[in-house]
Amino acid sequence: DAGVIQSPRHEVTEMGQEVTLRCKPISGHNSLFWYRQTMMRGLELLIYFNNNVPIDDSGMPEDRFSAKMPNASFSTLKIQPSEPRDSAVYFCASSLGQGARSGELFFGEGSRLTVL
Amino acid sequence: AQKVTQAQTEISVVEKEDVTLDCVYETRDTTYYLFWYKQPPSGELVFLIRRNSFDEQNEISGRYSWNFQKSTSSFNFTITASQVVDSAVYFCALSEADGNNRLAFGKGNQVVVIP
Repeated sequence: DAGVIQSPRHEVTEMGQEVTLRCKPISGHNSLFWYRQTMMRGLELLIYFNNNVPIDDSGMPEDRFSAKMPNASFSTLKIQPSEPRDSAVYFCASSLGQGARSGELFFGEGSRLTVL
Repeated sequence: AQKVTQAQTEISVVEKEDVTLDCVYETRDTTYYLFWYKQPPSGELVFLIRRNSFDEQNEISGRYSWNFQKSTSSFNFTITASQVVDSAVYFCALSEADGNNRLAFGKGNQVVVIP
């Protein structure tokens, strides 16, 4: 069975450019999470969807960040305009049930973003 | 507010030694969930275990074991007879039942197993 699929795996862009990260959750999972990992701040939850509806976006850093989940099999995280401090690994995760308390989160392999 | 503390940033052990990773958590909720994840050098996050706050039974899975003690708010993880393949970053995480399902991670323990 396919796991959580993220693309691109690596992205290098210049400051000011728009970045779109994509995620396909595991089929049948109804919760989706976007996390960001940096050396300084560790793993931070950015946003969480349940049944395609954003439930908690309090972790989204600022208005430059936006996330959508148009259907159960696809989500995007967009940064516009990007800044060097956005450089990080962005993980998408999905789970069955209502969020983390229902059980394990299945993580994708991450998208490593470098903003020059 | 929830908080997970993993005090040891990097731990080096010689192969076949045991290594214990400490995790101390803070929460005001009576219902919560604790997790351990492994992040090998390849970067993905691999689920190891989930525990709810009402289940203090310790668990053993092969060379891995977990010690959950509510009295000290700790959920420690031991790798017995470590192997080079155990080299990874290990994260402890907490989710509160009323916390919008946020999975809050600790800073992680970098484990280096020396052959």
